Amino acid sequence: DIQMTQSPSTLSASVGDRVTSACRASQSIGTYLNWYQQKPGEAPKLLIYAASSLQSGVPSRFSGSGSGTDFTLTISSLQPEDFATYYCQQSHSTPYNFGQGTKLEIK
Amino acid sequence: EVQLLESGGGLVQPGGSLRLSCAASGFTFSRYTMSWVRQTPGKGLEWVSAMSGSGDATYYADSVKGRFTISRDNSKKTLYLQMNSLRVEDTALYYCAKPLGYGSGQGFDYWGQGTLVTVSS
Repeated sequence: DIQMTQSPSTLSASVGDRVTSACRASQSIGTYLNWYQQKPGEAPKLLIYAASSLQSGVPSRFSGSGSGTDFTLTISSLQPEDFATYYCQQSHSTPYNFGQGTKLEIK
Repeated sequence: EVQLLESGGGLVQPGGSLRLSCAASGFTFSRYTMSWVRQTPGKGLEWVSAMSGSGDATYYADSVKGRFTISRDNSKKTLYLQMNSLRVEDTALYYCAKPLGYGSGQGFDYWGQGTLVTVSS
């Protein structure tokens, strides 16, 4: 099975900051990597698919990069509504494991 | 508008069974490999199972293999998850999820609201 590891577990930042979250796969997954945002009491929301493709309706301040085993989610200028938990997920092969999440908190 | 509506959750004793349902609308259900994903209260996400659009391929996480069975009825646009031999660690919010493309390789663009399964004596 492919294991996904995210870092950091928690990230403290302020509105307007540029932030990055990292995700590492235990083996190469090409660009079969997705990013989700989840707020309390809500289902996850797809932000980025295929490592760098922005899902329809998602603000352009979100971007993804990487291939193989190392991936990054970047938020260029944090907005108040961005404080949430972010998960990566590999869709290269089953089981489609998720990372443990990065919780983005207000500094 | 795409909608996924899960039902069937509840309180069950260890060793018991439940069947979850996910009623889909707003897209060509039979073309998509559909998945179940669960989330333990206060914790992360775990992919559980998937079934191809035609129903001829099924996939399971090791943690549920041999205990859970995924199925679908394309005429009713409904996905199911039969859960047997339930354990305390199966307690979670269970989501039905639709992939962006016909396979599962592009992430899940639509999720239901979830149905809560609690396994406790």
